[in-house]
Amino acid sequence: AQSVTQLGSHVSVSEGALVLLRCNYSSSVPPYLFWYVQYPNQGLQLLLKYTTGATLVKGINGFEAEFKKSETSFHLTKPSAHMSDAAEYFCAVSAGNKLVFGAGTILRVKS
Amino acid sequence: DTGVSQNPRHKITKRGQNVTFRCDPISEHNRLYWYRQTLGQGPEFLTYFQNEAQLEKSRLLSDRFSAERPKGSFSTLEIQRTEQGDSAMYLCASSLAGTELYEQYFGPGTRLTVT
Repeated sequence: AQSVTQLGSHVSVSEGALVLLRCNYSSSVPPYLFWYVQYPNQGLQLLLKYTTGATLVKGINGFEAEFKKSETSFHLTKPSAHMSDAAEYFCAVSAGNKLVFGAGTILRVKS
Repeated sequence: DTGVSQNPRHKITKRGQNVTFRCDPISEHNRLYWYRQTLGQGPEFLTYFQNEAQLEKSRLLSDRFSAERPKGSFSTLEIQRTEQGDSAMYLCASSLAGTELYEQYFGPGTRLTVT
């Protein structure tokens, strides 16, 4: 069965610093991978997705992620954190006709 | 705005009461999903529809839960005889079957509190 592990339930960075949120997945078939962001009391917004092709994918708000099959990873990065990036981030993997989500990582950005 | 909408946004009910939530997907999307999210967890799949057909249900969806999508447009999720463990955020998402199958767009959710 497909699963997702997000390392670190909370990550804290200073404004302007690199953001790195870790995601490892397990899948018996070639996966489709996603990162979503959730602001308080709101639904999930798609940041980026990997389906096939280029393993480095760029998303909205300056985020990008790299699919590494050998490491079964799909880490999310952003070169310079902004205060508005403070939110909860979820990694997800395709599983049949649905998505399986990780437990989430709360990103805090310090001024 | 043509995004996914959900109503109500918040619902407080007493244990044992029935509640119903509504989801209006993006108009051209033929797939509609329900997920449940509890505090500190990611969303968990409950069920999905393609057009009006309910094609998959999670084991999380007990007999007290029922979902419908009568005309392949909006969907309702009903919980009968609510329990405190049902307190959660209920999220609806929609997508297009085919190449964009997994690109799911989420609504703002309905937060249920059972007292």
